[in-house]
Amino acid sequence: DAGVTQSPTHLIKTRGQHVTLRCSPISGHKSVSWYQQVLGQGPQFIFQYYEKEERGRGNFPDRFSARQFPNYSSELNVNALLLGDSALYLCASSFGTGGDYGYTFGSGTRLTVV
Amino acid sequence: QKEVEQDPGPLSVPEGAIVSLNCTYSNSAFQYFMWYRQYSRKGPELLMYTYSSGNKEDGRFTAQVDKSSKYISLFIRDSQPSDSATYLCAMSVGNDYKLSFGAGTTVTVRA
Repeated sequence: DAGVTQSPTHLIKTRGQHVTLRCSPISGHKSVSWYQQVLGQGPQFIFQYYEKEERGRGNFPDRFSARQFPNYSSELNVNALLLGDSALYLCASSFGTGGDYGYTFGSGTRLTVV
Repeated sequence: QKEVEQDPGPLSVPEGAIVSLNCTYSNSAFQYFMWYRQYSRKGPELLMYTYSSGNKEDGRFTAQVDKSSKYISLFIRDSQPSDSATYLCAMSVGNDYKLSFGAGTTVTVRA
């Protein structure tokens, strides 16, 4: 079975540009969450979507947005990129919401802002 | 004060030793506790998943949760060089949407 797949794997952008990251959850999983992991730190929660609705948002500016599609895949969009947005962006999927089912993470998209 | 505290190490042990990792937390509402392993340039991989207090064993791995002390531990017995990775603790309040992670402890097992 395919795990959580993310694309692209690596990305270099210039300050001020916009970026779109993509995630395909495990088949049958309806919940997708996004996390930002800065080098040397643990992942920080950005968003969770369940059945195409936003179920939670972390402490990130409005430059960050996301959506979930009918096939449960998801996009994370970041506008007006800053150098501090350089990080590994992780997508996690689960069958439902919350900690009852556990989360499976993808390998992430490494974003470098120059 | 961070919600979840984890000593970043690094921790270096000889092959065959017991690796002991731990995290403390401040939110008494946390009910679900997880340990993830993260290899370089990869996403976190779920190792152990525990609900509430108690011990859980899976092969060489043992997870302990002490909610009264707000303290969780992971023990790795008979450590192997392939166990060299960053270990992240994570926790959730239950039917909540968010995992709160520690900073991760980098472990090196020397052959």
